[in-house]
Amino acid sequence: QTVVTQEPSFSVSPGGTVTLTCGLSSGSVSTSYYPSWYQQTPGQAPRTLIYSTNTRSSGVPDRFSGSILGNKAALTITGAHADDESDYYCVLYMGSGISMFGGGTKLTVL
Amino acid sequence: EVLLLESGGGLVQPGESLRLSCAASGFTFSSYAMNWVRQAPGKGLEWVSVISDSGVSTYYADSVKGRFTISRDNSKNTLYLQMNSLRAEDTAVYYCAKTKYSSTFYAFDCWGQGTLVTVSS
Repeated sequence: QTVVTQEPSFSVSPGGTVTLTCGLSSGSVSTSYYPSWYQQTPGQAPRTLIYSTNTRSSGVPDRFSGSILGNKAALTITGAHADDESDYYCVLYMGSGISMFGGGTKLTVL
Repeated sequence: EVLLLESGGGLVQPGESLRLSCAASGFTFSSYAMNWVRQAPGKGLEWVSVISDSGVSTYYADSVKGRFTISRDNSKNTLYLQMNSLRAEDTAVYYCAKTKYSSTFYAFDCWGQGTLVTVSS
């Protein structure tokens, strides 16, 4: 059973840069998985940040960027703000209609 | 403006059924695949199911296959999730989510606010 992996937690200083990753328990992530990224604060619905590896959703600041780094998808936040403190989820499209979420990364800004 | 409004959640006993609805507006509903995503209390997001724009194709996570049925009524701009044989582990907030691109299944670009389903005796 394939699992989508994410760091459980990460911390970044205000103004700093952080890269969160999204991998597979077996195999490499490529653009063919159309990786997407979502931000969620407690009690709120998810917000779409990035889709198709590196396309920002409407209204998302350009300090958020997506890429493939090595064998994983990556979300980089450059110049972190206090309100970037959230849970971040990646999704990989596995084909045949099936999408899979990673377990999420809890980002702390301090 | 795209709006997705879920309804139908509530408290049910194990083994019972429930049907969720998601009313859509602000876009051409019949042109996009639609998804259900859930989140158990204190847990991460889990993709549940997707239905193609026409409703012909449906796909499910293994955890709900055979128990849940996704459907849509394009004349009413409404998405449904029929949930049968509910279990305690189905307790979650259920979100509907629009697929970003017409005629594809990947990437969600708009989300509803969710409806809570609690399965407990």
